Amino acid sequence: KDQVFQPSTVASSEGAVVEIFCNHSVSNAYNFFWYLHFPGCAPRLLVKGSKPSQQGRYNMTYERFSSSLLILQVREADAAVYYCACMGSSNTGKLIFGQGTTLQVKP
Amino acid sequence: DAGVIQSPRHEVTEMGQEVTLRCKPISGHDYLFWYRQTMMRGLELLIYFNNNVPIDDSGMPEDRFSAKMPNASFSTLKIQPSEPRDSAVYFCASSFSGQGISPLHFGNGTRLTVT
Repeated sequence: KDQVFQPSTVASSEGAVVEIFCNHSVSNAYNFFWYLHFPGCAPRLLVKGSKPSQQGRYNMTYERFSSSLLILQVREADAAVYYCACMGSSNTGKLIFGQGTTLQVKP
Repeated sequence: DAGVIQSPRHEVTEMGQEVTLRCKPISGHDYLFWYRQTMMRGLELLIYFNNNVPIDDSGMPEDRFSAKMPNASFSTLKIQPSEPRDSAVYFCASSFSGQGISPLHFGNGTRLTVT
């Protein structure tokens, strides 16, 4: 079954680098997508791709079946839910999401 | 660009009532997706359309759920009859296939509460 796995919760301290890990069992998936979601708002794409990439404070690592999102200099305002997703075969645009990781930031 | 627009933002209804959620995708996007978000399962894909045609509805939980896309600028997700376990946030998203690996653009969601 096509699935994406990520931890339910990650805790960090302000100013640190936090890593959220993700792996998948999605057939023919080569791209990872990382979304940020604040309750009441639309999930927003942070970074995506099939190779390591960076967008501002967000770094994405890449392996064939796993990826990590690294957030540099974590702030209290980064406390939210982070979703990892993969696109399956045929490039249909269909994303399979993980359960979401709630980031807790301690001052 | 107005983004994906969903309505209503909040819906509270009683068990057994019909609920209709609405979505306007970004103009020019040819894919439209309906997702359901719960604490236990995260974002689950319910159904998606390509050029207004349903492609995969295997995520629709039961026959009580139905979705339509009568034209490129409008889609509905209907639940009839609604049940308390349908309470969740429902997201609509759209994307454009002409840009290679195109990410999804989400609406703000509809929070549904069935009492």
